[in-house]
Amino acid sequence: EAGVTQFPSHSVIEKGQTVTLRCDPISGHDNLYWYRRVMGKEIKFLLHFVKESKQDESGMPNNRFLAERTGGTYSTLKVQPAELEDSGVYFCASSQDRGVGLAVQETQYFGPGTRLLVL
Amino acid sequence: AQSVTQLGSHVSVSEGALVLLRCNYSSSVPPYLFWYVQYPNQGLQLLLKYTTGATLVKGINGFEAEFKKSETSFHLTKPSAHMSDAAEYFCAVSRSGGSNYKLTFGKGTLLTVNP
Repeated sequence: EAGVTQFPSHSVIEKGQTVTLRCDPISGHDNLYWYRRVMGKEIKFLLHFVKESKQDESGMPNNRFLAERTGGTYSTLKVQPAELEDSGVYFCASSQDRGVGLAVQETQYFGPGTRLLVL
Repeated sequence: AQSVTQLGSHVSVSEGALVLLRCNYSSSVPPYLFWYVQYPNQGLQLLLKYTTGATLVKGINGFEAEFKKSETSFHLTKPSAHMSDAAEYFCAVSRSGGSNYKLTFGKGTLLTVNP
């Protein structure tokens, strides 16, 4: 079974440019999460999709960040325009959904991350 | 709000020695607790998790952790360190109940194993 994949693995851009990160979750996983780790800090939650719907986007830093999940499959995270403080590692994770009423924590499987450097 | 504190950003042990990585959490509701490991140039891999039931949880690669509610702790241990255990370890908490299981992470502990 293929794991969570992320593209690109690394990206170096200049301040003011646009970057789009992609995440392909494990097939059949309805839940998709984005996290970010800024250098020297903890990994922080950005947002959560259930299928194509945004369940929680409370962690999104500002309106320069736009996440989408077309058809409930892969997801993209666009940063436009990028700022220096956006540099970090962006992780994607996915998990199964056992259904309504079954409040069970399913394991989140993480991708290798995209290392973004904004110069 | 939930939070996680990992004591020691860097822990160094000798091969064969006990590994002890400390994690304390804060949560207003019963927590779900996790330890993840990240090897160089790889993603986070789940070592073990506590949701309900037995408070001593066994994970992969010989690691285990014990949930102690009275101490709000979930320390990770391994009796004998191996060189391959060198990695960064993250403790995380999520909120039980509801439908959003976003993880709140600690800052991570880098484990070095010396020969």
